[in-house]
Amino acid sequence: AQSVTQLGSHVSVSEGALVLLRCNYSSSVPPYLFWYVQYPNQGLQLLLKYTTGATLVKGINGFEAEFKKSETSFHLTKPSAHMSDAAEYFCAVGNNFNKFYFGSGTKLNVKP
Amino acid sequence: DADVTQTPRNRITKTGKRIMLECSQTKGHDRMYWYRQDPGLGLRLIYYSFDVKDINKGEISDGYSVSRQAQAKFSLSLESAIPNQTALYFCATSGNGAEAFFGQGTRLTVV
Repeated sequence: AQSVTQLGSHVSVSEGALVLLRCNYSSSVPPYLFWYVQYPNQGLQLLLKYTTGATLVKGINGFEAEFKKSETSFHLTKPSAHMSDAAEYFCAVGNNFNKFYFGSGTKLNVKP
Repeated sequence: DADVTQTPRNRITKTGKRIMLECSQTKGHDRMYWYRQDPGLGLRLIYYSFDVKDINKGEISDGYSVSRQAQAKFSLSLESAIPNQTALYFCATSGNGAEAFFGQGTRLTVV
């Protein structure tokens, strides 16, 4: 069975501050891991993904995430928040059968 | 044009009515999915299809049915809508690249 836990349903940071969104997963098989972003009234857009290889993954808009197998974590970071980063972020786990499980989401607020 | 198109984008319907949400994709993917999004619950899988002849129930399939009319088309039906089916519904596809691609969503309100 696979599941995803996102710690913190709401995170607030100041513009220019570090963004850290936490994601832990459980999976009985080697996972594929994803972060998606959802802007208001829009669908989900892929930020980055981990399938195999390098555990530090870089995505769009300056975001990156590190797969830590020992901690079953895939936290999302960005060194300096921008107002345009305000959105809801979803962590997801998949497998080689392409079945996806999503976390409950974290809403990021960026204060000026 | 969007790769994954959902129609309608918004719909208000009455309790007990039958409603169909449609999804079409131009990505040539075999795998298609229907998810439901509720605040604080993330996305939950309703049904998924790995090819035209393959339909599978997800976590929350009760009260829903689907039809895979072609590789590119996957529709979701609510046979008798109820208020707790008020939600944002997403169609998604995936291919060999592992990730899912989402439509813009359908906001359904059952009154």
